[in-house]
Amino acid sequence: GIQVEQSPPDLILQEGANSTLRCNFSDSVNNLQWFHQNPWGQLINLFYIPSGTKQNGRLSATTVATERYSLLYISSSQTTDSGVYFCAVLTRGGSYIPTFGRGTSLIVHP
Amino acid sequence: GAGVSQTPSNKVTEKGKYVELRCDPISGHTALYWYRQSLGQGPEFLIYFQGTGAADDSGLPNDRFFAVRPEGSVSTLKIQRTERGDSAVYLCASSWTGTSMADTQYFGPGTRLTVL
Repeated sequence: GIQVEQSPPDLILQEGANSTLRCNFSDSVNNLQWFHQNPWGQLINLFYIPSGTKQNGRLSATTVATERYSLLYISSSQTTDSGVYFCAVLTRGGSYIPTFGRGTSLIVHP
Repeated sequence: GAGVSQTPSNKVTEKGKYVELRCDPISGHTALYWYRQSLGQGPEFLIYFQGTGAADDSGLPNDRFFAVRPEGSVSTLKIQRTERGDSAVYLCASSWTGTSMADTQYFGPGTRLTVL
């Protein structure tokens, strides 16, 4: 099956800093989503982004499907950004079951 | 409208016991998914329902695990003869159709299962 790798595995920031999280995948995909799991375990969808760039406030994401990676940018980080960020992909011609990466754990200190 | 809800939020049981975990999806969502998440890992797919039927149960680890969705809404994940390795957070998600590549999944808060 498809392999999804996320980096870095852990990230510690001071409030106000910017960061870039990366998701590499081993096969062509039809769907890529970024999720945030807060410290209480709730998973929230951030972006549906199989290709191109999207922005939502301080967050933006870019997927370069031909090179099989996606980036999540967090600008002016806040303590509420803490948690684990996952990317999940659906492969071309595959089922509708997403494959998740292992996530990037982010801690933002005040 | 309410989001996806799961009960109980925590369940502690003894090895060998039977447990049931419940998921209430968002009203109107036809697709429902169960995942298992171990510490430090991403969600791992277990089973996917399209309406009342299990469209894909390829993620169930063995025959001790079973799930139902008799009326196409609420789903119950059932685990027989629990083992310590079953300890994890069990997540439920729902989406409108489950058949569109653009479908967004909405997750519940999870049930933390601990098998002693």
